[in-house]
Amino acid sequence: GAVVSQHPSRVICKSGTSVKIECRSLDFQATTMFWYRQFPKQSLMLMATSNEGSKATYEQGVEKDKFLINHASLTLSTLTVTSAHPEDSSFYICSARDRIAGVMETQYFGPGTRLLVL
Amino acid sequence: DAKTTQPPSMDCAEGRAANLPCNHSTISGNEYVYWYRQIHSQGPQYIIHGLKNNETNEMASLIITEDRKSSTLILPHATLRDTAVYYCIVRPKAAGNKLTFGGGTRVLVKP
Repeated sequence: GAVVSQHPSRVICKSGTSVKIECRSLDFQATTMFWYRQFPKQSLMLMATSNEGSKATYEQGVEKDKFLINHASLTLSTLTVTSAHPEDSSFYICSARDRIAGVMETQYFGPGTRLLVL
Repeated sequence: DAKTTQPPSMDCAEGRAANLPCNHSTISGNEYVYWYRQIHSQGPQYIIHGLKNNETNEMASLIITEDRKSSTLILPHATLRDTAVYYCIVRPKAAGNKLTFGGGTRVLVKP
């Protein structure tokens, strides 16, 4: 299957700082990328959907000013957690959808980024 | 999107077939059944998907009932590495629709 990478895989930061997470589709072009968050022993929760070159669409309850998403190209999306607080500590997972016109597009996931805010 | 119901957990023996059920009684005609799995501390991994016909690939087989209200994912020869949470997801065919994860089934493969 297609490969999606994330960087960094793990980050520890102090409360109040901002953290940027990168998501890349390595061997395909992704018109749409998704960001999920997963707390311990819970399922994945979709945070936002981003389309290349346009503003992200956020799910209800997700603050767009806190979780900044930039989908600048067909292979790169970034999530910036601004002014991070301990409650933002979580496992952040990106996903990308293959760009094949007229075909049911499969969604592939990155390995995740574990964020710990002290 | 149609909701899915899966058992919260199940055990299976290494080397035996693992049959994972999923109910999606409200599925509509344009919705696909997708299966993903998530091994601990990793991102979800795509397994297989189907619309109404049974599907098979190198990882698993997907059996969808004729009325499409339920499906079964079959891992033909479970290994210890198949221990994971398995998610059954129904997704509309229309482009741009997102995957919504439920609770999944926690599968433990035992030696």
